[in-house]
Amino acid sequence: EPEVTQTPSHQVTQMGQEVILRCVPISNHLYFYWYRQILGQKVEFLVSFYNNEISEKSEIFDDQFSVERPDGSNFTLKIRSTKLEDSAMYFCASSIGTPGTSGRGTGELFFGEGSRLTVL
Amino acid sequence: QKEVEQNSGPLSVPEGAIASLNCTYSDRVSQSFFWYRQYSGKSPELIMSIYSNGDKEDGRFTAQLNKASQYVSLLIRDSQPSDSATYLCAVNAGNNRKLIWGLGTSLAVNP
Repeated sequence: EPEVTQTPSHQVTQMGQEVILRCVPISNHLYFYWYRQILGQKVEFLVSFYNNEISEKSEIFDDQFSVERPDGSNFTLKIRSTKLEDSAMYFCASSIGTPGTSGRGTGELFFGEGSRLTVL
Repeated sequence: QKEVEQNSGPLSVPEGAIASLNCTYSDRVSQSFFWYRQYSGKSPELIMSIYSNGDKEDGRFTAQLNKASQYVSLLIRDSQPSDSATYLCAVNAGNNRKLIWGLGTSLAVNP
């Protein structure tokens, strides 16, 4: 069964360092997302990506964050200068379509296993 | 501020019973509603999606949507210990591509 894969599973970094989280979405999916979940808190939307560009981003996704799809398979999230409050589980997700469309069954997200980021 | 609210629980039910999980949302233009299951330390996994008022059944799971009351629920029949997890309600914000998530309800099914 196709799945979303993420690397690394866990990364520990020092405050101020750059971090790149990598994801391989499901191959025939068109929409890609990054969400994060701080321990014990809600899942939070960061960014959605479609047709090689950002389609929407949240207030969390400030200038310290960027996303790229450098080739046909990988989808990366970069945090330029990490802060303590960036410590969280980062989930990559993909979908065939987008939530809210009238196309039934196309808005469901498939999540990767997550990358746990710990900023010291 | 668009919100999705759930009782955090824990909700404890005996094996074989019906578990009822509830969710309310604030944005009236929401169109798509999802239930995800999240085991501790794992990623969310889609269980059900519902788009129209009424009930939608899939195996032991039934999702119910009432847009007038801005309410969506999930019923789990014949609950099993393996159903013990946190159940997350997620709602799309109108035509936006992002999902707004509830905090989740922790369900414990006791053998």
